[in-house]
Amino acid sequence: DAGVTQSPTHLIKTRGQHVTLRCSPISGHKSVSWYQQVLGQGPQFIFQYYEKEERGRGNFPDRFSARQFPNYSSELNVNALLLGDSALYLCASSSGTAIYEQYFGPGTRLTVT
Amino acid sequence: GENVEQHPSTLSVQEGDSAVIKCTYSDSASNYFPWYKQELGKRPQLIIDIRSNVGEKKDQRIAVTLNKTAKHFSLHITETQPEDSAVYFCAAPRGSSASKIIFGSGTRLSIRP
Repeated sequence: DAGVTQSPTHLIKTRGQHVTLRCSPISGHKSVSWYQQVLGQGPQFIFQYYEKEERGRGNFPDRFSARQFPNYSSELNVNALLLGDSALYLCASSSGTAIYEQYFGPGTRLTVT
Repeated sequence: GENVEQHPSTLSVQEGDSAVIKCTYSDSASNYFPWYKQELGKRPQLIIDIRSNVGEKKDQRIAVTLNKTAKHFSLHITETQPEDSAVYFCAAPRGSSASKIIFGSGTRLSIRP
């Protein structure tokens, strides 16, 4: 079975642009969560989606949005990019509504210049 | 608040010795406590977790203990090996619905040969 996959692996954007990151969960998992990890820090929770509905939201500005599709894959969108948005963006999947036993994807490294 | 505090931030132990990492949480409704291992340049990997109805859980050389009264939980690694060198993160959900999860700041564990 394939694990959690994310695309792209790396991305370089300019301030003010927007970006879309993609995630495919483990087969059978219906929950997807998104995290931002700045170098040297722990992952910071952004969103959790289950069955296409937002179930949890972290302390991130409205420039961050996400959605989940009928096949349970998910997109994270970030508008009006700032230098401080440079980070590793991780997606994780789990089977139920609660974030138990979640498994992470390899991440997307976003650099904003 | 929604803090998860983790100590120590760095830990160096002799190969073969034990390592202990401690975390405290603030939300008394938290009911699930995972530990993740992140090697350099890789994704966080779930290594062990514990539910709130259990005081201790073991898996070979790693164990997690939970004290719900004191709101703290610990990771114990015995007979440490070079491949245990990594950053370890604890985490705890917000509320009993566990739709939002807060990570600790991480402990960089180094195993001295």
